[in-house]
Order: sequence, then structure tokens, then C-alpha cells
Amino acid sequence: NAGVMQNPRHLVRRRGQEARLRCSPMKGHSHVYWYRQLPEEGLKFMVYLQKENIIDESGMPKERFSAEFPKEGPSILRIQQVVRGDSAAYFCASSPPISTDTQYFGPGTRLTVL
Amino acid sequence: QKEVEQNSGPLSVPEGAIASLNCTYSDRGSQSFFWYRQYSGKSPELIMSIYSNGDKEDGRFTAQLNKASQYVSLLIRDSQPSDSATYLCAVRGTGANNLFFGTGTRLTVIP
Repeated sequence: NAGVMQNPRHLVRRRGQEARLRCSPMKGHSHVYWYRQLPEEGLKFMVYLQKENIIDESGMPKERFSAEFPKEGPSILRIQQVVRGDSAAYFCASSPPISTDTQYFGPGTRLTVL
Repeated sequence: QKEVEQNSGPLSVPEGAIASLNCTYSDRGSQSFFWYRQYSGKSPELIMSIYSNGDKEDGRFTAQLNKASQYVSLLIRDSQPSDSATYLCAVRGTGANNLFFGTGTRLTVIP
């Protein structure tokens, strides 16, 4: 299965800890997007990255959140000092270099902050 | 004003009927429109994309786009219980890299 992969699928953290979410795009895809879905709400864009570059982070909270997509390895969404309001499903999507329109989603990481 | 609006439902239809899902968007310059299906606890799955005014058919699914009215819809013919899910409308805005999503319409197909 060459789909978008995310891990872990479920992550539990206590308030104040750090959360690291990983995303490996589909084979041949070089564009990665992170979205957050709060309970009973729609998907909200967070950040768009290409290899080694953050292209658009207009949806990222100003503090505690960061993202990277290194030359080698998966994209990482990092949340420092998590709070209960960070509990959500975090989805990664990828698209091929030719078309940035069609985005394919990974299974998501469900973050629970205790 | 929300960028993308959908009726949250729930929408219930009997098996075999046509389900009609609607979506409006605010950015008149938007060019790309998508319908995703999301089962409870799962990730969004792309089912249709549409870029031009008119209808686009794929199996039991038909997407309809009217840019003048800023309206996009999804028709599901011969609805099946397995179609029961939340349907998300997504729009790529002018000059945007990301998709703007509606909150989704929950569809229940009653056997």
C-alpha cells in the first residue's frame, strides 16, 4: 500500500508534554499539507510544505506549533507544551508535484491531551 | 462569513433513493472543487473533483458546479447503506495552496 502514512495513529499526552506527529507522503508526492479536525468541526488547514521548505503556514497557531519536511524522512508536526484544546484528529495529505489540486489523506493521528 | 458552507444534516434517505448534498462558497475566484467522504473515525476519501460549470458523472455519483451562483452539489443515485457517512465539500480558493472545507453533511441511508 503506497498511500499516505501517518504515525502514531493514536497519541496520548499530558498537559505540558510535547507531541510529535509524523507523515510520509504517497510515493512520488512532494507536497505535504497538515489539517486539524476538532470534534464536530470541519477540517482546518494548518501548513503546506515541500521538501525542506515551508510554503504556507497561515493556518498554524503562532505559538507551540511547528512543522518540517526534511530532505530525508517524514514530515513532522510538533506541538510543544500541549493543552487540552489541542485534542483533535490531525490529518496529513499529499499531492504530486504536477498538480497541487488533488490531495490524498492519510489515516490521521488522534491526539488526546489529558 | 465561512468560506465553505454546507447543511450539517443529518440527511436521511431510503435505500435506492437519490441523495442530494449541497455546498456554497464565498470566493468567487475559486477554480477547484472536491467532494470527500468521511466515515466515522476515518480519514477523508476523495470521491469527486470538478473544475468546470456543469455536471460530472462517475458511477452513481454526479457533481454539479455553478460558478455564477457559487454553488456545488453532489448527487448519489441508488443510495446504499454503505453510503452512510459525512460528505465534505472542499474548495481551493484563489491563489491558495490549501483546501477550505465545509463542516460536512451527515448522510444516513435507511435500509
